[in-house]
Amino acid sequence: GENVEQHPSTLSVQEGDSAVIKCTYSDSASNYFPWYKQELGKGPQLIIDIRSNVGEKKDQRIAVTLNKTAKHFSLHITETQPEDSAVYFCAASGDGGATNKLIFGTGTLLAVQP
Amino acid sequence: DSGVTQTPKHLITATGQRVTLRCSPRSGDLSVYWYQQSLDQGLQFLIQYYNGEERAKGNILERFSAQQFPDLHSELNLSSLELGDSALYFCASSPYDRGDEQFFGPGTRLTVL
Repeated sequence: GENVEQHPSTLSVQEGDSAVIKCTYSDSASNYFPWYKQELGKGPQLIIDIRSNVGEKKDQRIAVTLNKTAKHFSLHITETQPEDSAVYFCAASGDGGATNKLIFGTGTLLAVQP
Repeated sequence: DSGVTQTPKHLITATGQRVTLRCSPRSGDLSVYWYQQSLDQGLQFLIQYYNGEERAKGNILERFSAQQFPDLHSELNLSSLELGDSALYFCASSPYDRGDEQFFGPGTRLTVL
């Protein structure tokens, strides 16, 4: 079935360093790839998304890259701050590219050490 | 604050019972999505409604059902509850029917004893 693999499951970085989280999807028809940040006790928050016609998208300290050939996409956070500490989820549109059926990765717990 | 509200925040009930979770989308959003988040299954899409009509279905059990009302709020009904139904249930809303830009509510934590 459709699947999104996410690595690593935990990531610890020093404040100011960069963090990279990687995801691989299985459905070649997937065309929408959002990233969500979930803080403890809260719902997931959309932080950035990319569509399949774009290779890279940047928003301040956050960037996402997409390699459709390899079916990989990654989240890059630069100059990390303690408030970046949270669980990050990647997702890909499922069921033949239906963007309203998101398949989520298993999450990455990011800890930014001050 | 995403603008999506969910009630109740916590729900404790017994096996075999039935519960209703409520969601109010952001002002102007026509789509409502329901998700289940558990430790073993992760975050899973259950069902989507757009302007009152069911638009997409995911891994939703037959014991679960949902609807969206004319004022666009939605309810998720869970019946014949089992221990394994204990999870966080999230509602998300978006302006579109195609799934882009979903904004999640704070969730309802369901505990089945």
